[in-house]
Amino acid sequence: GAVVSQHPSWVICKSGTSVKIECRSLDFQATTMFWYRQFPKQSLMLMATSNEGSKATYEQGVEKDKFLINHASLTLSTLTVTSAHPEDSSFYICSARPGLADGNTIYFGEGSWLTVV
Amino acid sequence: QQPVQSPQAVILREGEDAVINCSSSKALYSVHWYRQKHGEAPVFLMILLKGGEQKGHEKISASFNEKKQQSSLYLTASQLSYSGTYFCGTDVSGGYNKLIFGAGTRLAVHP
Repeated sequence: GAVVSQHPSWVICKSGTSVKIECRSLDFQATTMFWYRQFPKQSLMLMATSNEGSKATYEQGVEKDKFLINHASLTLSTLTVTSAHPEDSSFYICSARPGLADGNTIYFGEGSWLTVV
Repeated sequence: QQPVQSPQAVILREGEDAVINCSSSKALYSVHWYRQKHGEAPVFLMILLKGGEQKGHEKISASFNEKKQQSSLYLTASQLSYSGTYFCGTDVSGGYNKLIFGAGTRLAVHP
């Protein structure tokens, strides 16, 4: 079945540095991917919609200059957390769907744990 | 826009049943149900598209009311493996799968 892969699974970085997280669709093309953030014991919060070949669409309250999204190909979207701070520590997860037909399953990546120290 | 889930938490003994509800003030394009275990990615359970639809997956089934404003997830004869947090995601993009998730329902199944 369709698989979405994220890398890295875990990352620890120093405050002030930048971290890149990759989201790949392994056996299908995804013109659109979604990025979510999840704090402990909370729901998944949609951050942005990643569009292949165009600018990402950010949800209200999400800083576009801090969370840079690049969707360079039909199988890869990247999220870069710039100038990371401890409050950015969270579980970041992407999703994508193969095809445009209604009822298609949306697949989530395995998620990436970011810890900023 | 966030759908309302209830209850917030459920504690069951193995073999007992539970119902988790997800509601919205507006008609929804679709409802997606996921289960997430601690530290892991959400796992897809099912999607409902049509008003009045019901579908099942082993002992887990779900319904979508006629007005497409409420969905319920039914867990029957619960097993220990059912423990986790259940989320409903509602499509706010008319079919492009931009999902907004409810706050989640924590389910704990004990022997």
